[in-house]
Amino acid sequence: KQEVTQIPAALSVPEGENLVLNCSFTDSAIYNLQWFRQDPGKGLTSLLLIQSSQREQTSGRLNASLDKSSGRSTLYIAASQPGDSATYLCALRPGTYKYIFGTGTRLKVLA
Amino acid sequence: DAGVTQSPTHLIKTRGQQVTLRCSPKSGHDTVSWYQQALGQGPQFIFQYYEEEERQRGNFPDRFSGHQFPNYSSELNVNALLLGDSALYLCASSLTHQETQYFGPGTRLLVL
Repeated sequence: KQEVTQIPAALSVPEGENLVLNCSFTDSAIYNLQWFRQDPGKGLTSLLLIQSSQREQTSGRLNASLDKSSGRSTLYIAASQPGDSATYLCALRPGTYKYIFGTGTRLKVLA
Repeated sequence: DAGVTQSPTHLIKTRGQQVTLRCSPKSGHDTVSWYQQALGQGPQFIFQYYEEEERQRGNFPDRFSGHQFPNYSSELNVNALLLGDSALYLCASSLTHQETQYFGPGTRLLVL
């Protein structure tokens, strides 16, 4: 059974720091992996999508990597800002139509 | 271009009641998925609809049912509500040939 784990569960950093969020999964047979952002009480916003054949994707200050062999993905946020404060969720598609989500990392960037 | 919309935004029900949640997908999208997100947890897949048929279902009891209409909008019905059904219910739409799912703002259901 595929399981997705995100560590740490919560993170608080000063503004301007570069940071890495981790996502690990137990089965390397995945179709793609997606990182989402969720603001309190809101829906999810897609940040980056990495196909199974790709190693990384970049969008602005965000970079996501995928290593299927080790069952890991990382989301790198450069020069963090208070507006980056949110919960970050990784979700993978194991080959069927559904996504399996991790429990998320709650990020707080202090001004 | 409107994104994914859901109604209502908030709902309070009592145990044993029935509830219907509604979702309108992003313009041009033909696939709708429903997720349940309990407080402090990641979303859990309930089911996905495509061409008015349930294409895949997660580990949810039969009390959870759905429907997709010809205009691709969708409904989620939950019967015999339990306290544990209290959660944020998220709808996501996509095009069958695309991978990115676009999520709506959710409906927060509280069961008393």
